[in-house]
Amino acid sequence: KQEVTQIPAALSVPEGENLVLNCSFTDSAIYNLQWFRQDPGKGLTSLLLIQSSQREQTSGRLNASLDKSSGRSTLYIAASQPGDSATYLCAVRGLSNFGNEKLTFGTGTRLTIIP
Amino acid sequence: GAVVSQHPSRVICKSGTSVKIECRSLDFQATTMFWYRQFPKQSLMLMATSNEGSKATYEQGVEKDKFLINHASLTLSTLTVTSAHPEDSSFYICSARDWRNEKLFFGSGTQLSVL
Repeated sequence: KQEVTQIPAALSVPEGENLVLNCSFTDSAIYNLQWFRQDPGKGLTSLLLIQSSQREQTSGRLNASLDKSSGRSTLYIAASQPGDSATYLCAVRGLSNFGNEKLTFGTGTRLTIIP
Repeated sequence: GAVVSQHPSRVICKSGTSVKIECRSLDFQATTMFWYRQFPKQSLMLMATSNEGSKATYEQGVEKDKFLINHASLTLSTLTVTSAHPEDSSFYICSARDWRNEKLFFGSGTQLSVL
């Protein structure tokens, strides 16, 4: 059974600092890994998608890395801004117990950027 | 970017009634849609995978007769919570896979409160 863990559960940093969010997963047989942000009471916004054959993806101030063999991914946010405050979720796409594809989510990191 | 419309955003109902939640992909075709449930301070849990034109596949522990899923077209999937009870109160989120790039896009969620 795939388990996805995100550390830390909550993080507060001053505006302008760079930061790293961590995601680890137990089963390395994945198709891809995706990072999302969730604002309170809202749905999810996709940030970055990394295919299993890729090592990293970049979008603006965001950079996500993937080390499939060790079951780890990081999301790097440069020059943080108050608008980055949200819960960040990573999710891995693999196979469910019934042979259907499944997206397994981590519990998220609640990020607060202090102005 | 691709948009997934989910409504209603919030519904309050009496115990024993049925509630229907709609999920639409607005600018892309989605052969596969997913339904998730999220309890407070917990991560999203996959309930079922919905494929257009076929029966949904439910995750272990999810009652298919209680959570009816219909995916009648490439842009619409519905989740009906039948005979809702207070323990069904939760945040329900749908997602749709863009067949062009495999990215998942999420609806804004439905907060269901059963009295």
